[in-house]
Amino acid sequence: QVQLVESGGGLVKPGGSLRLSCAASGFGFSDYYMTWIRQAPGKGLEWLSYISGRGSIIYYADSVRGRFTISRDNGKNSLYLQMNSLRAEDTAVYYCARGGSAYDMFDYWGQGTLVTVSS
Amino acid sequence: SYVLTQPPSVSVAPGQTARITCGRNNIGSKSVHWYQQKPGQAPVLVVYDDNDRPSGIPERFSGSTSGNTATLTISRVEAGDEADYYCQVWDSSSLRVVFGGGTKLTVL
Repeated sequence: QVQLVESGGGLVKPGGSLRLSCAASGFGFSDYYMTWIRQAPGKGLEWLSYISGRGSIIYYADSVRGRFTISRDNGKNSLYLQMNSLRAEDTAVYYCARGGSAYDMFDYWGQGTLVTVSS
Repeated sequence: SYVLTQPPSVSVAPGQTARITCGRNNIGSKSVHWYQQKPGQAPVLVVYDDNDRPSGIPERFSGSTSGNTATLTISRVEAGDEADYYCQVWDSSSLRVVFGGGTKLTVL
């Protein structure tokens, strides 16, 4: 069965960096776009970034462009989000999800990993 | 920027029908997807491509689009349907994903 497991969250100071990982299993990982989505405490879902199966197509939300970098290692069935210059407003649960190509839905989600940015 | 407008809350009695709307100019031309999120859990896809259901989602969940509004309809509402619901589309002009602000469904 399809599984997505995020890791790497934690407490980080403003201006710091963190790298999130998402381990995928149960499907042909390289065949799918993958996406990062976050949810601030008590708020709605915010799309952050997607990456194509081969990693050649990448898009970012304005809120994270230039600070966050999405990448993937198809040999390890893993998706990553490198987060730099973190701000308090980046505090959220971060989800990886399968999907993200044009008009596509997100049919599988990980359980999420909490990132807290605070001094 | 591309905005999808959802009502913050909808309330319905058990056994009745809940309708949750998602508004945007000409949303009828998009593929609209809907997610259910219960407290402390990840979102779950309940309707995709306007009115298709993933396996395991009850037939009580259905979707429709018309003009500027997409609607998620939940028939014969049960207590277990109480959750936040989000609509989502892909914006072809910006090549980005957009979520609605979410609607909290309360079962009275």
